[in-house]
Amino acid sequence: DAGVIQSPRHEVTEMGQEVTLRCKPISGHNSLFWYRQTMMRGLELLIYFNNNVPIDDSGMPEDRFSAKMPNASFSTLKIQPSEPRDSAVYFCASTLGGGGNTIYFGEGSWLTVV
Amino acid sequence: EDQVTQSPEALRLQEGESSSLNCSYTVSGLRGLFWYRQDPGKGPEFLFTLYSAGEEKEKERLKATLTKKESFLHITAPKPEDSATYLCAVSGSGTYKYIFGTGTRLKVLA
Repeated sequence: DAGVIQSPRHEVTEMGQEVTLRCKPISGHNSLFWYRQTMMRGLELLIYFNNNVPIDDSGMPEDRFSAKMPNASFSTLKIQPSEPRDSAVYFCASTLGGGGNTIYFGEGSWLTVV
Repeated sequence: EDQVTQSPEALRLQEGESSSLNCSYTVSGLRGLFWYRQDPGKGPEFLFTLYSAGEEKEKERLKATLTKKESFLHITAPKPEDSATYLCAVSGSGTYKYIFGTGTRLKVLA
């Protein structure tokens, strides 16, 4: 079975440009998470969707960040405009339900903003 | 506030030298404790889920145990291919959030 699929795997962009990261969750999963991972702060939850609805976006650092989930098989995380401090690895993860269920991660999108 | 603390931050072992990684947690109503392995340039890979104190799970050279305050990941006779960062996470009752520790970076020397 296919796992969580993320694209692009690597992105290098200039400050001020728009960045769009994409995620396809595991088929049948109805909960989706976007995380950011840095050396300093580890894994931070940015936003959580349940049944395609954003439930908690309190982890989104600024208004420059936005996320959508137009259907059960696709989600995007957009940064506009991007800044060097946004450089990090962005992970998408999914699960069925939530709470005590195991979440499965994609391979991540490695973003560098220069 | 829900919290996860992992120790040590880094660990170097000789091949065959068994050891344990610790994950201490505070959470309201544990619904699950999760162990992941993360290799450089990859996403976290699921290893184990533990649900209640006293539960143990094994996979090859790894064994995870759980008490009411902490979990241990025991590595028996490790090999260089066990080198990775090991992450622990918890999920509490009444929340969808998964709280992650900062991980233990394990290096096994041949």
